[in-house]
Amino acid sequence: QSALTQPASVSGSPGQSITISCTGTSSDVGSYNLVSWYQQHPGKAPKLMIYEGSKRPPGVSNRFSGSKSGNTASLTISGLQAEDEADYYCCSYAGSSTHVVFGGGTKLTVL
Amino acid sequence: EVQLVQSGAEVKKSGESLKISCKGSGYSFTSYWIGWVRQMPGKGLEWMGIIYPGDSETRYSPSCQGQVTISADKSISTAYLQWSSLKASDTAMYYCARMTGGWAFDYWGQGTLVTVSS
Repeated sequence: QSALTQPASVSGSPGQSITISCTGTSSDVGSYNLVSWYQQHPGKAPKLMIYEGSKRPPGVSNRFSGSKSGNTASLTISGLQAEDEADYYCCSYAGSSTHVVFGGGTKLTVL
Repeated sequence: EVQLVQSGAEVKKSGESLKISCKGSGYSFTSYWIGWVRQMPGKGLEWMGIIYPGDSETRYSPSCQGQVTISADKSISTAYLQWSSLKASDTAMYYCARMTGGWAFDYWGQGTLVTVSS
């Protein structure tokens, strides 16, 4: 069982927006603005999409955005495109003992 | 260009030892933490631990503490993940990744597939 809870799957049609939730606790997501999100296509290494909750690395489309409310972080993808179909993982700093925790991952299907 | 290049796939037997590597280039290797992440077949990402090559300070996930050893040789810009006695349950893809100051992993290696047969 992963430390952060994500839905197993979400889907949307091209052009639509979807949101993936990532629920943690007051020991991780709720205490730090250090949530990151990763996209992983089959057979590929993960790619950083969002860091520090809502920041985008250079080269990442502004269709990707991150937010947080309480113990839940969210990744929103607007204007869905076929190439967005992938697995998405959230990750959070969790203090000096555990350090880092990942979510179980969400499979995004673009219909 | 920042690159992390990992060593090739390994096939081992239970009880054998193994050390896989991750060579960084295109940035100051001693100035960023390097992390290791495990992905078992068909499963999600699991953080294993990190090392700061500048002084070799390491931090492990509670589940990996004592099960693996993370090390680095800053003279050749290379981080390592090693096992003294592999188990079949160690079969997985292992990724190294550079960590930012905000505990995010911004550059990833291509992965090293480790297969352990019993």
